[in-house]
Amino acid sequence: RKEVEQDPGPFNVPEGATVAFNCTYSNSASQSFFWYRQDCRKEPKLLMSVYSSGNEDGRFTAQLNRASQYISLLIRDSKLSDSATYLCVPNFDNTNAGKSTFGDGTTLTVKP
Amino acid sequence: DGGITQSPKYLFRKEGQNVTLSCEQNLNHDAMYWYRQDPGQGLRLIYYSQIVNDFQKGDIAEGYSVSREKKESFPLTVTSAQKNPTAFYLCASSIPGYYNYGYTFGSGTRLTVV
Repeated sequence: RKEVEQDPGPFNVPEGATVAFNCTYSNSASQSFFWYRQDCRKEPKLLMSVYSSGNEDGRFTAQLNRASQYISLLIRDSKLSDSATYLCVPNFDNTNAGKSTFGDGTTLTVKP
Repeated sequence: DGGITQSPKYLFRKEGQNVTLSCEQNLNHDAMYWYRQDPGQGLRLIYYSQIVNDFQKGDIAEGYSVSREKKESFPLTVTSAQKNPTAFYLCASSIPGYYNYGYTFGSGTRLTVV
C-alpha cells in the first residue's frame, strides 16, 4: 500500500459546483497535513495547512479524520481558476527534518 | 522579495554528461530539498539538507549528488549514472520543526536528455 493515496481523477465539474477530494495516508504518526495546488508545468504552492481537525479558508475547507486516516479538501462555488492538480502531503517525519511524502495528486477541471 | 531561485529553467543533457542544477534561497530557511517529478506523478525526494555541510539521501538518490556549503545554496548534480534523468526538478526550503510550516518551492528546472 502506498503511503499516501489520492484519487487521480480527473474531476470535471461545472462552475459553481462543490467538489471534494480525499487523501488517505498509512502512517498514523502523521501530525501535520498540507494541501498544495500545482498548475500545469508549474511548481506546487501551499494551499492549506491542517494541524488539528480541520481548517477553512474562504471557499476551501480541509478536514482531518485521524481515526480513518484521511484528509479531505472541499471546494465550494468552483471557479475556472481552480482548475489544477491538488497534492496531499502528510508530514510524518519523526526526525523533524520536514521530509514529506507527496501524493500523486488529484486533477480538477472546472468548466464554464 | 524572499524566495527560491532555480536555474536554468530548461536544461538539455547529452548521454554520459554530468549537469548541475542551481538552487538559491534568501528566506533564511535551514532546510532545503530536491524533488523529482515525472509526468502525472507526485514528487519524489532525492536529497535533503537540514543544515550547512550536512545532507541525507532521500528515496531516489542514486545517480545524483548534492552539496550544502552555504545556507543559501543547495546545488544538485545529475550524474551519468542516472539512467533516466528526464524530469521536472523542484527545489524547496522550509523551517524544519515538529509542526512543519510547509515548503516554499522554486519554479523548477526541466531536464531533458538529448
